[in-house]
Amino acid sequence: SYVLTQPPSVSVAPGKTARITCGGNNIGSKSVHWYQQKPGQAPVLVIYYDSDRPSGIPERFSGSNSGNTATLTISRVEAGDEADYYCQVWDSSSDHPVVFGGGTKLTVL
Amino acid sequence: EVQLVESGGGLVQPGGSLRLSCAASGFTVSSNYMSWVRQAPGKGLEWVSVIYSGGSTYYADSVKGRFTISRDNSKNTLYLQMNSLRAEDTAVYYCARDSFLFLGSYYMDVWGKGTTVTVSS
Repeated sequence: SYVLTQPPSVSVAPGKTARITCGGNNIGSKSVHWYQQKPGQAPVLVIYYDSDRPSGIPERFSGSNSGNTATLTISRVEAGDEADYYCQVWDSSSDHPVVFGGGTKLTVL
Repeated sequence: EVQLVESGGGLVQPGGSLRLSCAASGFTVSSNYMSWVRQAPGKGLEWVSVIYSGGSTYYADSVKGRFTISRDNSKNTLYLQMNSLRAEDTAVYYCARDSFLFLGSYYMDVWGKGTTVTVSS
């Protein structure tokens, strides 16, 4: 089955830019979705179809996807952005269509 | 308001059974793909099962043959019947709506708050 690989942790200072990667074999040919999860809360969709933002998600959140890597970029990072972030793809050809990455803990220094 | 509310979690002994429920409001469960996702303590998200609008169902290898996803259209509710429970099934279980703009790729745009299942003697 398809595998998504994320770094366990990323650290960034407030006001700087955080980049969280999601690696997969030819992931650029798939659509990648991103979720933010804060402690004790359910996940929240922050990016879908590689780079689209749901209503209510700040423009500071953006995404890209090419080759073997998708990237979630958070500009002008705030303390409130500290959370776990998960990438996800849908493998429609599989009996296991939903694939999550292992998650990345974003720490705001 | 579009909302999902899970219930049915609790403490169960190894080998026991539980049925989780996920009541939807603001949309129709049977018209959507719906998933169960779990999260073990301190771990990441793990997809458990999905039911398509047409009724097809799929399961993670870790639960196949033990868990059954279903829905009751009259109650607009999604279920997860969990049998032969193991310690490793201990987790928060979330239900989620799978939505799409383009066929072939779905994303989870509505999540419940989760219900906790603890399997222990």
